[in-house]
This record gives sequence, structure tokens and C-alpha cells, in this order.
Amino acid sequence: AQSVTQLDSHVSVSEGTPVLLRCNYSSSYSPSLFWYVQHPNKGLQLLLKYTSAATLVKGINGFEAEFKKSETSFHLTKPSAHMSDAAEYFCVVAGGTSYGKLTFGQGTILTVHP
Amino acid sequence: GAVVSQHPSRVICKSGTSVKIECRSLDFQATTMFWYRQFPKQSLMLMATSNEGSKATYEQGVEKDKFLINHASLTLSTLTVTSAHPEDSSFYICSARAPGREAYEQYFGPGTRLTVT
Repeated sequence: AQSVTQLDSHVSVSEGTPVLLRCNYSSSYSPSLFWYVQHPNKGLQLLLKYTSAATLVKGINGFEAEFKKSETSFHLTKPSAHMSDAAEYFCVVAGGTSYGKLTFGQGTILTVHP
Repeated sequence: GAVVSQHPSRVICKSGTSVKIECRSLDFQATTMFWYRQFPKQSLMLMATSNEGSKATYEQGVEKDKFLINHASLTLSTLTVTSAHPEDSSFYICSARAPGREAYEQYFGPGTRLTVT
């Protein structure tokens, strides 16, 4: 079985300050981990993915995430928030016996203040 | 590339009626499509996986006779909610996977908001 927990339902930052969205996972297998972003009225967009290569993964729009097996974490960070980053973010785990099945976290709504 | 569309984006129907939601891959052929449901303030939950030309595989707890899935072509899958009830009101999202891609590489549609009155 696999699961993912996003530790914050809402995160609020000021423009230009760092972003940290936290995610912990549970998996019986070596997981593949992803972060997706969902803007209003738009489809989910893949930000970045970890698939057992480098533990620090760089994604689009300046986001990156670090896979820490000892902490079972895959937190998403960005050095400087932009107004356009305001959206809902989902941490996702895949793998195991249900090959290709994606298990989503509860989502974190990021608000960026001017 | 890799665009997935859904139609309609919003639908309101009366209790007891059926409603069909379409999911299309616009610029690629999707051998596999997925249907998810998202209740307010909750995460996306996989409902079923459909492969072109074969019966859908439903997740545990999802009524296959209520949520009819048809994947008749490589670019179109439909989800029909039969005899809808207010508790079926939700946000339905489809995704599609292109052949030759990793199993987890899915492209998502924008979702359909279903409200049953």
C-alpha cells in the first residue's frame, strides 16, 4: 500500500519570499514521487518527478524537491515566490503492485501576497 | 503537446437522470485513460482505469453499474453517471497516458463539475 500526506492545507507567503510545501509518503516499494500544480479551470500540470535517480529534482518554474528516504519526505521548494505561483499543489506517489496508479495527497493551496 | 480536454466543464442535472462526461486526447492517442473524482477539500481518488477496446477496471468501492466507462477509440473515453443522486456531486477529472510512455506519465484534463439537484 502507498499513501502520501501533505502537512499543510494552506500556505501563505509574500511575493519574493521562499516557498516550502511539505509532503511525507509511505510506500512498501521504491516509490516514484511527483508534484502537480492545479490552477483554476486548468488541468493538473506536472511540476517535477523523482524516479530513483538524483535525490534533488529540479522542475519547471524554478521549483525543486528533495527526496529524503530516511525522513520519507519529498518537500517542494522555491527560492522566491511569484504571484503566478498561487495555485493548489498535489504531492503524488506511484508504484508498487498497482503499476501506474497515482495516489494523491490532500493538496496544499498556496497563496502569494504582493 | 499532450493536451486532454473534457466536456462539459460544468453540468447540473436532476436527481435520477444520467449524465455523460467526455474526455478526449487532442494531439496523441491514449491507450489508457483514467477517471478520478475529487470531493470538496479532498484529494483526487482514482475511480477506474480504461484501456481502449476493453472493459474498465474499477477501484474498490466504485459501482461499475453506476459509473459506466466507455473507451471506444484511442482519443475518447466517456464516463456516464447513471441515475445520479446529490451525493454524486463532485469534480470529475480524467487523465490519459500515451503509448510508450512510463506508466505514471499521465496528462490531465481540466475537470468537470457535476452538481446533482
